[in-house]
Amino acid sequence: ILNVEQSPQSLHVQEGDSTNFTCSFPSSNFYALHWYRWETAKSPEALFVMTLNGDEKKKGRISATLNTKEGYSYLYIKGSQPEDSATYLCAFYPREGSQGNLIFGKGTKLSVKP
Amino acid sequence: EAGVVQSPRYKIIEKKQPVAFWCNPISGHNTLYWYRQNLGQGPELLIRYENEEAVDDSQLPKDRFSAERLKGVDSTLKIQPAELGDSAVYLCASTRDLQSWTEAFFGQGTRLTVV
Repeated sequence: ILNVEQSPQSLHVQEGDSTNFTCSFPSSNFYALHWYRWETAKSPEALFVMTLNGDEKKKGRISATLNTKEGYSYLYIKGSQPEDSATYLCAFYPREGSQGNLIFGKGTKLSVKP
Repeated sequence: EAGVVQSPRYKIIEKKQPVAFWCNPISGHNTLYWYRQNLGQGPELLIRYENEEAVDDSQLPKDRFSAERLKGVDSTLKIQPAELGDSAVYLCASTRDLQSWTEAFFGQGTRLTVV
């Protein structure tokens, strides 16, 4: 079964707090992992596309790590700001199955209070 | 470069009525996707086009849903007749390459409410 799990489902933090989310996927069938940010009334926007075990990518205050052997990825936000409030989606691309399509998790909804 | 354009942004219809959504992908993007996101769920693929060919429509409820991408550019997704359970956000996305693992570019989505 190709299943992507994200936790937590939602998160409420204060401005300035650092936070992290988890995405779990089948480790035995990995090809690529995507992170998207989806702000209300906007389009989902790609943050990272990761393919290599141990990969770490960074964009401003946001970074992500990838462990393909154990099947998880972490997304970190340092010093959260209100504009970071969004739903963060993880999407898994398996080596086999899914007819070559991305499989999305349910997302983590982040709310940052000023 | 213009992004993926979808219309309408919002649609409210009564059950049993037809509805259509339109998507114009980024110029030059050969692969186009239609996703449906139900409340509290992640986006789920309905159909994937490579140019004008529907290469995966296995998750499209074909009794009431149809889609087309006649010239391999813009696309239309139709529901006829709509049911209450079709209320969801319908997202269109495109990728430059024919490989789904590359970054997808999304439109803003159409939020459908069936009453």
